[in-house]
Amino acid sequence: NAGVMQNPRHLVRRRGQEARLRCSPMKGHSHVYWYRQLPEEGLKFMVYLQKENIIDESGMPKERFSAEFPKEGPSILRIQQVVRGDSAAYFCASSPTPPGQQTDTQYFGPGTRLTVL
Amino acid sequence: GQQLNQSPQSMFIQEGEDVSMNCTSSSIFNTWLWYKQDPGEGPVLLIALYKAGELTSNGRLTAQFGITRKDSFLNISASIPSDVGIYFCAGLGGSQGNLIFGKGTKLSVKP
Repeated sequence: NAGVMQNPRHLVRRRGQEARLRCSPMKGHSHVYWYRQLPEEGLKFMVYLQKENIIDESGMPKERFSAEFPKEGPSILRIQQVVRGDSAAYFCASSPTPPGQQTDTQYFGPGTRLTVL
Repeated sequence: GQQLNQSPQSMFIQEGEDVSMNCTSSSIFNTWLWYKQDPGEGPVLLIALYKAGELTSNGRLTAQFGITRKDSFLNISASIPSDVGIYFCAGLGGSQGNLIFGKGTKLSVKP
């Protein structure tokens, strides 16, 4: 069983460019979460998606950030016109069950480390 | 918003010693999860707790879900060098699917 896959593992962008981060959930998982981690910090929730739907984007900045989880293919987190403050590790997690289930659990990918020059 | 207070922030111990870390919250959680993160990697799930008062073991790791559903602890017995890393607690609040993370406990083990 392959785990959660993320690519690229490292991404370097100049200010003003776009960053596209990809996440393939574990097989059979249709619930995807994106988190951001700054150095020496815990992970902070950004957005929760099911196939083709954004369920909760309360943790995502209103501007420049967007996410999708199409019917076919990986989930994409897109950051437009990146700024230095966007430099962080971005993690994707997947779950086989919707929130609130008795055995709800999230499994994480290895992350994408974004550096904005 | 919901917050988790995790302590201690860091620990330096000798190989073979036991370790204990805990998380507290002002909010109730339905699920507590403990993760370990190595440098440059994603968090790896260690133990999941689903019932108040539940005590669960995974090898040398033991974790408990507090009876009030507002706290949890993780114990590591007979630590070994590969236990080095950052340990995070995370809470799930029910219908809201996002995990709330503590700030982590950085564990260093001296051989």
